[in-house]
Amino acid sequence: DQQVKQNSPSLSVQEGRISILNCDYTNSMFDYFLWYKKYPAEGPTFLISISSIKDKNEDGRFTVFLNKSAKHLSLHIVPSQPGDSAVYFCAARDSGNTPLVFGKGTRLSVIA
Amino acid sequence: GAGVSQTPSNKVTEKGKYVELRCDPISGHTALYWYRQSLGQGPEFLIYFQGTGAADDSGLPNDRFFAVRPEGSVSTLKIQRTERGDSAVYLCASSLRSATSGSGRAQYFGPGTRLTVL
Repeated sequence: DQQVKQNSPSLSVQEGRISILNCDYTNSMFDYFLWYKKYPAEGPTFLISISSIKDKNEDGRFTVFLNKSAKHLSLHIVPSQPGDSAVYFCAARDSGNTPLVFGKGTRLSVIA
Repeated sequence: GAGVSQTPSNKVTEKGKYVELRCDPISGHTALYWYRQSLGQGPEFLIYFQGTGAADDSGLPNDRFFAVRPEGSVSTLKIQRTERGDSAVYLCASSLRSATSGSGRAQYFGPGTRLTVL
């Protein structure tokens, strides 16, 4: 039973346009959500996070939106750049230093 | 500053052998996590240390897997009698112990060790 779901295995976007990656979760105890970016042969790199007390967090070209009632979050990248091409993982945890629960990832391809 | 480091980067072994994978966390991070990632999947939790003690080992698949962190810094994941199904990328991450908000609660990952059991 997957607690964090990324239903789109892949996404292709033109350079300069917006990329929207989606994530759904089932565990209502999750209170902290993160996005990681992963290049081949490297570990996941922390990108941006959001606490459940917020509905939006922005960092440069990256914005994460959280809809708690729908148990849904999304990552917006604008404008998309070829260097953004990677696998993006959504992750969640409940309070404290508990382990992260990851989705299966979405492969983003930004086409020049 | 230095990130999380893991050695070796690649390990090829034969079925039935014993392997050790090492993780060196970010200096000052007292929480350390091991995850395993198989092809097409996200990382899956194995074990979590707070200081020297294992705070949660519920993700270890069976008793062939064991991890230690004797001095609260470097950790070693040990796999006995390896099986072909153990082949995966083993990821280590660390985080601040007492962070309760913001990006301080994020976990920072090493590059992983790719284990192949023939």
